[in-house]
Amino acid sequence: DTAVSQTPKYLVTQMGNDKSIKCEQNLGHDTMYWYKQDSKKFLKIMFSYNNKELIINETVPNRFSPKSPDKAHLNLHINSLELGDSAVYFCASSPGNTDTQYFGPGTRLTVL
Amino acid sequence: KNEVEQSPQNLTAQEGEFITINCSYSVGISALHWLQQHPGGGIVSLFMLSSGKKKHGRLIATINIQEKHSSLHITASHPRDSAVYICAVRRSGSRLTFGEGTQLTVNP
Repeated sequence: DTAVSQTPKYLVTQMGNDKSIKCEQNLGHDTMYWYKQDSKKFLKIMFSYNNKELIINETVPNRFSPKSPDKAHLNLHINSLELGDSAVYFCASSPGNTDTQYFGPGTRLTVL
Repeated sequence: KNEVEQSPQNLTAQEGEFITINCSYSVGISALHWLQQHPGGGIVSLFMLSSGKKKHGRLIATINIQEKHSSLHITASHPRDSAVYICAVRRSGSRLTFGEGTQLTVNP
Protein backbone atom coordinates (compact mmCIF):
# COMPACT_ATOMS: atom_id res chain seq x y z
CA ASP A 1 0.00 0.00 0.00
CA THR A 2 2.95 2.32 -0.73
CA ALA A 3 1.76 5.86 -1.39
CA VAL A 4 4.51 7.13 -3.74
CA SER A 5 6.79 4.51 -5.20
CA GLN A 6 9.85 4.81 -7.41
CA THR A 7 11.78 2.24 -9.40
CA PRO A 8 14.56 1.46 -9.37
CA LYS A 9 15.88 2.36 -5.92
CA TYR A 10 19.47 2.24 -7.14
CA LEU A 11 20.77 2.74 -10.66
CA VAL A 12 24.41 2.43 -11.65
CA THR A 13 25.26 3.08 -15.27
CA GLN A 14 27.97 4.23 -17.64
CA MET A 15 28.36 7.68 -19.10
CA GLY A 16 26.50 8.10 -22.36
CA ASN A 17 23.75 5.61 -21.58
CA ASP A 18 20.03 6.39 -21.58
CA LYS A 19 18.00 5.45 -18.50
CA SER A 20 14.52 5.91 -17.06
CA ILE A 21 13.19 6.24 -13.53
CA LYS A 22 9.55 5.46 -12.89
CA CYS A 23 7.22 6.99 -10.33
CA GLU A 24 3.71 5.96 -9.36
CA GLN A 25 1.34 7.33 -6.73
CA ASN A 26 -1.83 5.64 -5.50
CA LEU A 27 -3.11 8.64 -3.54
CA GLY A 28 -5.33 10.03 -6.26
CA HIS A 29 -3.27 13.22 -6.35
CA ASP A 30 -3.44 15.61 -9.29
CA THR A 31 0.10 17.00 -9.10
CA MET A 32 3.44 15.18 -9.35
CA TYR A 33 7.03 16.40 -9.16
CA TRP A 34 10.60 15.43 -9.81
CA TYR A 35 13.36 16.75 -7.55
CA LYS A 36 17.12 16.31 -7.69
CA GLN A 37 19.17 16.11 -4.48
CA ASP A 38 22.87 16.68 -5.04
CA SER A 39 25.83 15.42 -3.05
CA LYS A 40 25.44 18.32 -0.62
CA LYS A 41 21.88 17.18 0.08
CA PHE A 42 20.42 20.27 -1.59
CA LEU A 43 16.97 19.64 -3.09
CA LYS A 44 15.94 21.35 -6.29
CA ILE A 45 12.73 21.15 -8.31
CA MET A 46 13.09 19.84 -11.84
CA PHE A 47 9.57 19.32 -13.16
CA SER A 48 5.98 19.41 -12.05
CA TYR A 49 2.89 18.00 -13.75
CA ASN A 50 -0.73 18.74 -12.92
CA ASN A 51 -3.25 16.33 -14.42
CA LYS A 52 -0.70 15.17 -17.00
CA GLU A 53 0.12 18.75 -18.01
CA LEU A 54 3.60 20.20 -17.50
CA ILE A 55 3.42 23.23 -15.19
CA ILE A 56 6.99 23.62 -13.97
CA ASN A 57 10.04 23.09 -16.13
CA GLU A 58 13.13 24.38 -14.40
CA THR A 59 16.39 25.01 -16.17
CA VAL A 60 17.51 21.46 -16.66
CA PRO A 61 19.33 20.04 -19.69
CA ASN A 62 17.19 18.85 -22.58
CA ARG A 63 18.58 15.40 -21.92
CA PHE A 64 16.01 15.14 -19.12
CA SER A 65 12.49 14.48 -20.34
CA PRO A 66 9.53 13.80 -18.07
CA LYS A 67 6.57 11.79 -19.30
CA SER A 68 3.20 11.47 -17.62
CA PRO A 69 1.11 8.72 -19.26
CA ASP A 70 -1.66 9.32 -16.71
CA LYS A 71 -2.03 11.37 -13.56
CA ALA A 72 -0.82 8.50 -11.34
CA HIS A 73 2.51 8.16 -13.14
CA LEU A 74 5.39 10.50 -13.84
CA ASN A 75 8.49 8.98 -15.38
CA LEU A 76 11.86 10.62 -15.92
CA HIS A 77 13.95 9.70 -18.92
CA ILE A 78 17.57 10.79 -19.12
CA ASN A 79 19.57 10.65 -22.36
CA SER A 80 23.35 10.61 -22.72
CA LEU A 81 24.03 10.40 -18.99
CA GLU A 82 26.89 12.50 -17.62
CA LEU A 83 28.94 12.22 -14.42
CA GLY A 84 27.19 15.32 -13.04
CA ASP A 85 23.83 13.58 -13.24
CA SER A 86 24.82 11.42 -10.27
CA ALA A 87 22.40 12.33 -7.51
CA VAL A 88 19.32 11.12 -5.69
CA TYR A 89 16.12 11.79 -7.61
CA PHE A 90 12.90 12.13 -5.64
CA CYS A 91 9.39 11.93 -6.99
CA ALA A 92 6.58 13.56 -5.01
CA SER A 93 2.86 14.15 -5.33
CA SER A 94 0.25 16.45 -3.83
CA PRO A 95 -3.54 16.70 -4.02
CA GLY A 96 -3.39 20.11 -5.68
CA ASN A 97 -0.45 22.22 -6.67
CA THR A 98 -0.36 24.17 -3.40
CA ASP A 99 -0.77 21.33 -0.93
CA THR A 100 1.51 19.23 1.25
CA GLN A 101 3.75 17.04 -0.88
CA TYR A 102 4.33 13.33 -0.33
CA PHE A 103 7.72 12.04 -1.33
CA GLY A 104 8.82 8.76 -2.82
CA PRO A 105 11.81 6.87 -1.37
CA GLY A 106 14.25 8.27 -3.92
CA THR A 107 16.37 6.75 -6.68
CA ARG A 108 20.12 6.92 -6.22
CA LEU A 109 21.68 7.34 -9.67
CA THR A 110 25.41 6.78 -10.05
CA VAL A 111 27.02 7.52 -13.38
CA LEU A 112 30.48 5.98 -13.86
CA LYS B 1 22.84 33.87 -1.76
CA ASN B 2 20.06 31.30 -1.36
CA GLU B 3 16.52 32.65 -0.97
CA VAL B 4 16.11 30.31 2.03
CA GLU B 5 18.69 30.22 4.79
CA GLN B 6 18.67 27.77 7.66
CA SER B 7 20.59 27.84 10.92
CA PRO B 8 22.38 26.11 12.35
CA GLN B 9 23.73 23.83 9.61
CA ASN B 10 24.62 21.19 12.19
CA LEU B 11 23.22 20.69 15.66
CA THR B 12 24.15 18.14 18.30
CA ALA B 13 22.00 17.78 21.40
CA GLN B 14 21.59 15.50 24.37
CA GLU B 15 18.43 13.47 24.74
CA GLY B 16 15.72 15.49 26.42
CA GLU B 17 16.94 18.91 25.30
CA PHE B 18 14.70 21.50 23.69
CA ILE B 19 15.79 22.11 20.08
CA THR B 20 15.22 25.07 17.79
CA ILE B 21 16.00 25.20 14.08
CA ASN B 22 15.61 28.51 12.28
CA CYS B 23 14.65 29.39 8.73
CA SER B 24 14.84 32.84 7.14
CA TYR B 25 13.73 33.72 3.66
CA SER B 26 14.10 36.78 1.50
CA VAL B 27 11.04 36.66 -0.76
CA GLY B 28 7.28 36.93 -0.40
CA ILE B 29 5.76 33.52 0.10
CA SER B 30 2.37 31.88 0.16
CA ALA B 31 3.41 29.02 2.46
CA LEU B 32 6.38 27.48 4.23
CA HIS B 33 7.07 23.78 4.63
CA TRP B 34 9.17 21.86 7.11
CA LEU B 35 10.43 18.48 5.96
CA GLN B 36 12.35 15.72 7.69
CA GLN B 37 14.85 13.53 5.86
CA HIS B 38 15.67 10.33 7.70
CA PRO B 39 19.19 8.85 7.76
CA GLY B 40 17.96 6.27 5.25
CA GLY B 41 17.07 9.06 2.83
CA GLY B 42 13.27 9.12 3.01
CA ILE B 43 11.59 12.55 3.13
CA VAL B 44 8.50 13.27 5.18
CA SER B 45 6.51 16.47 5.23
CA LEU B 46 6.12 17.69 8.82
CA PHE B 47 4.26 20.98 8.50
CA MET B 48 2.87 23.39 5.97
CA LEU B 49 2.04 26.79 7.41
CA SER B 50 1.27 30.28 6.21
CA SER B 51 0.72 32.01 9.55
CA GLY B 52 0.90 31.47 13.29
CA LYS B 53 1.82 28.17 14.80
CA LYS B 54 1.21 24.45 14.33
CA LYS B 55 1.87 21.58 16.72
CA HIS B 56 2.15 17.86 16.14
CA GLY B 57 3.26 15.74 19.05
CA ARG B 58 6.61 17.05 20.24
CA LEU B 59 7.09 19.22 17.17
CA ILE B 60 6.05 22.87 16.96
CA ALA B 61 6.43 25.13 13.93
CA THR B 62 5.97 28.88 14.01
CA ILE B 63 6.12 31.51 11.32
CA ASN B 64 6.38 35.31 11.39
CA ILE B 65 5.42 36.57 7.95
CA GLN B 66 6.48 40.18 8.65
CA GLU B 67 9.95 39.11 9.75
CA LYS B 68 10.21 36.41 7.06
CA HIS B 69 11.23 33.86 9.64
CA SER B 70 10.12 30.44 10.81
CA SER B 71 11.27 28.16 13.60
CA LEU B 72 10.92 24.44 14.17
CA HIS B 73 11.02 23.35 17.80
CA ILE B 74 11.42 19.85 19.16
CA THR B 75 10.56 19.32 22.81
CA ALA B 76 12.03 16.45 24.86
CA SER B 77 14.32 15.43 21.99
CA HIS B 78 15.07 11.76 21.40
CA PRO B 79 17.77 9.97 19.39
CA ARG B 80 15.11 8.95 16.85
CA ASP B 81 14.69 12.68 16.05
CA SER B 82 18.16 12.57 14.48
CA ALA B 83 17.64 13.57 10.85
CA VAL B 84 18.07 16.43 8.42
CA TYR B 85 15.36 19.07 8.77
CA ILE B 86 14.64 21.07 5.65
CA CYS B 87 12.77 24.34 5.30
CA ALA B 88 11.10 25.10 1.96
CA VAL B 89 9.08 28.10 0.81
CA ARG B 90 6.41 28.34 -1.83
CA ARG B 91 6.24 31.64 -3.68
CA SER B 92 3.49 30.95 -6.18
CA GLY B 93 1.94 27.88 -7.71
CA SER B 94 3.59 24.65 -6.66
CA ARG B 95 7.27 25.54 -6.93
CA LEU B 96 9.19 25.00 -3.67
CA THR B 97 12.57 26.54 -2.94
CA PHE B 98 14.54 24.63 -0.35
CA GLY B 99 17.03 25.55 2.33
CA GLU B 100 20.18 23.52 2.66
CA GLY B 101 18.93 21.62 5.67
CA THR B 102 19.98 21.28 9.29
CA GLN B 103 21.63 18.05 10.35
CA LEU B 104 20.36 17.21 13.85
CA THR B 105 22.03 14.57 15.98
CA VAL B 106 20.50 13.70 19.34
CA ASN B 107 22.76 11.65 21.58
CA PRO B 108 21.40 9.29 24.25
